[in-house]
Amino acid sequence: GAVVSQHPSWVICKSGTSVKIECRSLDFQATTMFWYRQFPKQSLMLMATSNEGSKATYEQGVEKDKFLINHASLTLSTLTVTSAHPEDSSFYICSAEVAGRGNTGELFFGEGSRLTVL
Amino acid sequence: GQQVMQIPQYQHVQEGEDFTTYCNSSTTLSNIQWYKQRPGGHPVFLIQLVKSGEVKKQKRLTFQFGEAKKNSSLHITATQTTDVGTYFCAGVQGAQKLVFGQGTRLTINP
Repeated sequence: GAVVSQHPSWVICKSGTSVKIECRSLDFQATTMFWYRQFPKQSLMLMATSNEGSKATYEQGVEKDKFLINHASLTLSTLTVTSAHPEDSSFYICSAEVAGRGNTGELFFGEGSRLTVL
Repeated sequence: GQQVMQIPQYQHVQEGEDFTTYCNSSTTLSNIQWYKQRPGGHPVFLIQLVKSGEVKKQKRLTFQFGEAKKNSSLHITATQTTDVGTYFCAGVQGAQKLVFGQGTRLTINP
């Protein structure tokens, strides 16, 4: 099956700093990637849809200037949490659809990145 | 907007007992997907249902999609400790994005 790799798995940072999370599709091309946020014991909340070569589409209530998304290639999307604060501490997960394979809609998820802001 | 409701939120069973989680959408879905997330892990795709009234089986897991394509269920027969985790349904309406249910967290007493 398709593999999505996310890095880093864990990150601890000081309040006010920025953190970049990478999401890579290892064995397929992904024109579309999705970024989710998951609080403990809660569901996955879609933050934004990342489209290769164009601007990301953000969900209502998600600050695009705080959560910068870049999808510069068909295998890499990055999420940068700018000026992180403790309330940004969460589990961030990316997912991708397989492009050009008669897309069934199945999503492949990365391992997730647990961000802790001190 | 589209909402996907999932019940129960938690379910604790004895090993060997059956388990069912239900998913309901406020709108008709083009397809519904099920994912499993182990504690500390990431969601893993289980199955996708597309057709009205569709039933699919994977060993002890049975997935159903309602006739109206607004509800779905996942049933596990004779649970095992390896079934522990949170099960999410996720619905798609037309070409829109996937919307996840709240998940059902399954714990099992061995």
